[in-house]
Amino acid sequence: AQSVTQLDSQVPVFEEAPVELRCNYSSSVSVYLFWYVQYPNQGLQLLLKYLSGSTLVKGINGFEAEFNKSQTSFHLRKPSVHISDTAEYFCAVSTQGAQKLVFGQGTRLTINP
Amino acid sequence: NAGVMQNPRHLVRRRGQEARLRCSPMKGHSHVYWYRQLPEEGLKFMVYLQKENIIDESGMPKERFSAEFPKEGPSILRIQQVVRGDSAAYFCASSPTPQGIGEKLFFGSGTQLSVL
Repeated sequence: AQSVTQLDSQVPVFEEAPVELRCNYSSSVSVYLFWYVQYPNQGLQLLLKYLSGSTLVKGINGFEAEFNKSQTSFHLRKPSVHISDTAEYFCAVSTQGAQKLVFGQGTRLTINP
Repeated sequence: NAGVMQNPRHLVRRRGQEARLRCSPMKGHSHVYWYRQLPEEGLKFMVYLQKENIIDESGMPKERFSAEFPKEGPSILRIQQVVRGDSAAYFCASSPTPQGIGEKLFFGSGTQLSVL
């Protein structure tokens, strides 16, 4: 079975500052990793995914994440955040052939002017 | 092409009543997934359905919960005799293919169920 831990439930940052949202996972088999974003009153939207290949993946809105197999991590980063990045961010894991995603608890990113 | 539509957005029920949550998948999508998000927790898988079939219900509570995805009409998640612990956000997602690697999965905005 897989599990996901998002180490920070809330992350406040100032506008134009860099941000890192942490995600660690546990699995006995190879995994696929995802970051989803949920803006207020909206559904979840895929930000980026790691399936295989390059460990650095780039997503929408200037976000990127790096898969680190030895540390079982998939941290999300953005070099300069905007007010519009205020949202809840979910890390999720799946495996080949699986029909479901296992989500972390979510991290609420708040951008202060 | 409208996205995944869930209704109602908010549903208030008293203990013991029934709750019906509806999900209309994106056009052309025949795979529907329901997830539940309890307060301060991540989303947890409940059930995966294809048209007229339940494929995986391993995340469904054993009692009071049921789901269907009929040939015509939306998918319905039904909760009988609701209790306060059922208060949560219920998300539906749809896909044109089995989820597999999740990249073609689209989520609705959720239904917030509050049980008084």
